[in-house]
Formats: sequence, C-alpha cells, structure tokens
Amino acid sequence: SAVISQKPSRDICQRGTSLTIQCQVDSQVTMMFWYRQQPGQSLTLIATANQGSEATYESGFVIDKFPISRPNLTFSTLTVSNMSPEDSSIYLCSVARGQNTDTQYFGPGTRLTVL
Amino acid sequence: KNQVEQSPQSLIILEGKNCTLQCNYTVSPFSNLRWYKQDTGRGPVSLTIMTFSENTKSNGRYTATLDADTKQSSLHITASQLSDSASYICVVTTNSNSGYALNFGKGTSLLVTP
Repeated sequence: SAVISQKPSRDICQRGTSLTIQCQVDSQVTMMFWYRQQPGQSLTLIATANQGSEATYESGFVIDKFPISRPNLTFSTLTVSNMSPEDSSIYLCSVARGQNTDTQYFGPGTRLTVL
Repeated sequence: KNQVEQSPQSLIILEGKNCTLQCNYTVSPFSNLRWYKQDTGRGPVSLTIMTFSENTKSNGRYTATLDADTKQSSLHITASQLSDSASYICVVTTNSNSGYALNFGKGTSLLVTP
C-alpha cells in the first residue's frame, strides 16, 4: 500500500480564484492520478500526472483549467483555475506502483466549495 | 449512461443486520472488479478484488460475488456495525491496448443505525 496525504483537506473559495492542491506520497511511485468526485457522481479521472513531462488529460479536461505538476516521484499538485461553483467537488489523488495501474491507492481527498 | 450501475443508491439498516449491495456493469474487456469502501472525508479503500475466474471473495464480514456471464456483482455485509456506515463503490477495470482503465460506479451510501 502507500500512505498518501493531501493539502488542504478542505477549502472554501471565491468564484474566479484558483486553488492548488498538493499530494504527497510516503514512497516513490510510478504513476500518480487526479480524480474529481462531484456530489452524487462517480469518480472521474482528470489526468495522469507524469513525472518530468506534461500530464495526460482525459476527455473533457484541459491543462488551462487544471494545470498539474509532478516534479518528482513522490509529489504532485493539481490547480483548479478560475473557479466557478460547478467546480465544487472532492478532488482525490491516487497512486500506482510499477505499470500495474489497476491497483490504485487513494488519498483522503480535498473537499472544495466555490461560492 | 454509466457503464457501472449500483443499487440501491442509499440504504439504512439496523446494527447487527445483514445487507447486500448490487453492481451491474457493461464495460469490456473485463480485467477485474473491486469493491471499495469510502468513509466520509476519506479516500476509497479496496475491500475485495475478483478476476474473471473468481465468483466469490471474502474479507472478514464482507463477501463479494461475481457472475461474469451476467456481468453482475454483489457485496454482502454480515452482522453490520456502526463503522460500516460509508459509501461502497464498485469499480470495474478494463484492459485494452491503451492500458488499464478504472470504471467507477456512483456508489451505495450505507447508514447503519443503533
């Protein structure tokens, strides 16, 4: 398994501002992912955070809205830019070891409310 | 349309009672099916994993079943405890040329009351 922490755990933000969420893992991992969990909806993959290169975004998500950094094998950030109330959601990071991405361990999530 | 459907959406049971949660899926090609437990304010934690050839898997008071022919799975919770109150998420992994993809259900919200 892996011990994953996220900061902040929750935040309330104003429309039009940006928030950066941090994800820290207790050991080096190959793959890191960012998910969104909107109220009453299933987890949706936003992007795969690639170490040393640009993130790979899923359909419907773009880098300008959700810029991602991954400077090393234990850390990643997700920024939610120019926020609107529709961005209110739980944002989770997950990690996988090796290339076996079907086994993922999830962080505790960041609960974001946009007013 | 979500390709992993869970029912019921929510459930309230008395402490000590049993319950069964359902998951139907249409995604393919099937690799495995997991049940996750997500406590409020926490990330999902894997309870069980089943591959195509497995039709039952237990983890303590949790027993998952899989019928790969009908593409149905269930999670049975025995002698429920207050700490079982959580969201239970069914996740079907597919494996194609582009790699693994996790397909999440919306979850069943379970409340166990004293």
